[in-house]
Amino acid sequence: GIQVEQSPPDLILQEGANSTLRCNFSDSVNNLQWFHQNPWGQLINLFYIPSGTKQNGRLSATTVATERYSLLYISSSQTTDSGVYFCAVVHGSGNTGKLIFGQGTTLQVKP
Amino acid sequence: NAGVTQTPKFQVLKTGQSMTLQCAQDMNHEYMSWYRQDPGMGLRLIHYSVGAGITDQGEVPNGYNVSRSTTEDFPLRLLSAAPSQTSVYFCASGYQPQHFGDGTRLSIL
Repeated sequence: GIQVEQSPPDLILQEGANSTLRCNFSDSVNNLQWFHQNPWGQLINLFYIPSGTKQNGRLSATTVATERYSLLYISSSQTTDSGVYFCAVVHGSGNTGKLIFGQGTTLQVKP
Repeated sequence: NAGVTQTPKFQVLKTGQSMTLQCAQDMNHEYMSWYRQDPGMGLRLIHYSVGAGITDQGEVPNGYNVSRSTTEDFPLRLLSAAPSQTSVYFCASGYQPQHFGDGTRLSIL
């Protein structure tokens, strides 16, 4: 099956710093989502981005499907950005919603 | 706008007991699914449904049962709970993108 690898596994930032999280996948995908799991365990949709670039406030994401990776950029980080960031993909081109999750990047933003 | 609603939020069971985790969505989505999340890991797919009356197995289906009698509801049943099923369970709705509920934290003693 498809492999989804996220890096780095852990990241500690000072408030105000910028960061880049990476998601590599081993085969073609027809869906890619980025999630933020907050300290209360809620999974928040950040981006649906199977290809291209999107921005939402301080967050942006880019997926280069032909090179099998996606990047999540966090600018001017805040303590509320802390939590775990997951990348999840749906393998191939078929009509399926089976999301395969990476192991996540745990981000801690210090005040 | 409720989105995806999961109940209960917390539950403690004894080994061998049965229970049903409820999931309801108000977005008229055909596709719904259940995932489990274990410590330090991403989510893994248990079962999914592409519409009322249609269900199928995901990556880790053993010990779980599902049915889909309406578009809105997709309950997950544990017939005989085991400690290995201690986990956080998430229900999701929609296809591209998928929307997740807040989860049910389940402990099996």
